[in-house]
Amino acid sequence: EAQVTQNPRYLITVTGKKLTVTCSQNMNHEYMSWYRQDPGLGLRQIYYSMNVEVTDKGDVPEGYKVSRKEKRNFPLILESPSPNQTSLYFCASSLSGTGPNIQYFGAGTRLSVL
Amino acid sequence: QKEVEQNSGPLSVPEGAIASLNCTYSDRVSQSFFWYRQYSGKSPELIMSIYSNGDKEDGRFTAQLNKASQYVSLLIRDSQPSDSATYLCAVNDNTNAGKSTFGDGTTLTVKP
Repeated sequence: EAQVTQNPRYLITVTGKKLTVTCSQNMNHEYMSWYRQDPGLGLRQIYYSMNVEVTDKGDVPEGYKVSRKEKRNFPLILESPSPNQTSLYFCASSLSGTGPNIQYFGAGTRLSVL
Repeated sequence: QKEVEQNSGPLSVPEGAIASLNCTYSDRVSQSFFWYRQYSGKSPELIMSIYSNGDKEDGRFTAQLNKASQYVSLLIRDSQPSDSATYLCAVNDNTNAGKSTFGDGTTLTVKP
């Protein structure tokens, strides 16, 4: 089954404790992206990757890191989480980041930073 | 001004009515437009995509694009309670490949 898998689905952590949210897709998609969603707001793009070893900042990259060492994986790293990073996070992938870019989303990771 | 603005909700329509969702965007070079549906607590899923001016129909859904007015809309005919969700408008700029901008969403409730 074609899918985007995020782990963990739920995470509670404390300020300053490094964490990684994994994202994996099995569709051989070139493009992957991370978003955060806060109450009443749409999706805000954190980082995206056009292909292996190619990443770029979205609209809200501060406090986050990403890497794209393999085509299928695109982990989101919070080196020193803060309470304002409490949010619902979505990973998405698409065949290509150029032209029409229909994105397929993972189930989401709900993060609470205390 | 936000890059992508949607009509503020919530929007409530009776079952069987037409629901009209609107979206305006500020960047004239935007090329690709999408409507995603998001049920509460779930991830967004694509409903419609549209790339050229005019109407595009898919079942009960019609997307309308007017690039001159920088406006894209989604019409849902014969609305059903199962259409109750938040609808997100997304815009891609093909000159800035990879960047994807979403509106804040409009929450639709279809009352039986």
